[in-house]
Amino acid sequence: QVQLHESGPGLVMPSETLSLTCAVSGGSITYYYWSWIRQPPGKGLEWIGSTYYTGSTKYNPSLKSRVTISIDTSKNQFSLKLNSVTAADTAVYYCARDRVPYQLLYDFHMWGQGTMVTVSS
Amino acid sequence: EIVLTQSPATLSLSPGERATLSCRASQSVSSSLAWYQQKPGQAPRLLIYDTSNRATGIPVRFSGSGSGTDFTLTISSLEPDDFAVYYCQQRNDWPCSFGQGTKVEI
Repeated sequence: QVQLHESGPGLVMPSETLSLTCAVSGGSITYYYWSWIRQPPGKGLEWIGSTYYTGSTKYNPSLKSRVTISIDTSKNQFSLKLNSVTAADTAVYYCARDRVPYQLLYDFHMWGQGTMVTVSS
Repeated sequence: EIVLTQSPATLSLSPGERATLSCRASQSVSSSLAWYQQKPGQAPRLLIYDTSNRATGIPVRFSGSGSGTDFTLTISSLEPDDFAVYYCQQRNDWPCSFGQGTKVEI
């Protein structure tokens, strides 16, 4: 049973960089696409970006200038960096896996439990 | 970016009743629409993909229909565990986008 687990600081200062890691257990990170999705408190969901085990990435244009997603197959994990954060970046951040291997379908079939990140001084 | 509008915002029903949730897209998404269920404090769960295909382990009381710009999620007979927020999501146009959610409450 594949499980995803997000980790990282729960509090980030404005203008600094938010950094999160998603550890994948119970299965290999290869052959699937892996994504980051966020949800501001009381609001809906926003896709941030996705990566493949080859290192290829796709980002939401609304965040592209500030986002970097990377993958480490040796550690079976992938990471999110979001720079120049503001209060608007306060959200629960989820990592997720696509439904089928080899294709980026944006069918987010498996999710981590989410981690709350607050941007505040 | 395609905007998905869900209605109603809140649906008040009793266990055993039928729930009908709507999702309307600002332009055609073909059949590339999914539905997710989210309970408080939990991650979303994929229910339906490609308009009408149930994800692994999803009960048959959940069904999806529609095409183009108008889509429906139907829960044939509400179980106590079904009271949650439901989101639709399109992947036909890039970037993928989500609706604002419909809360199904008792």
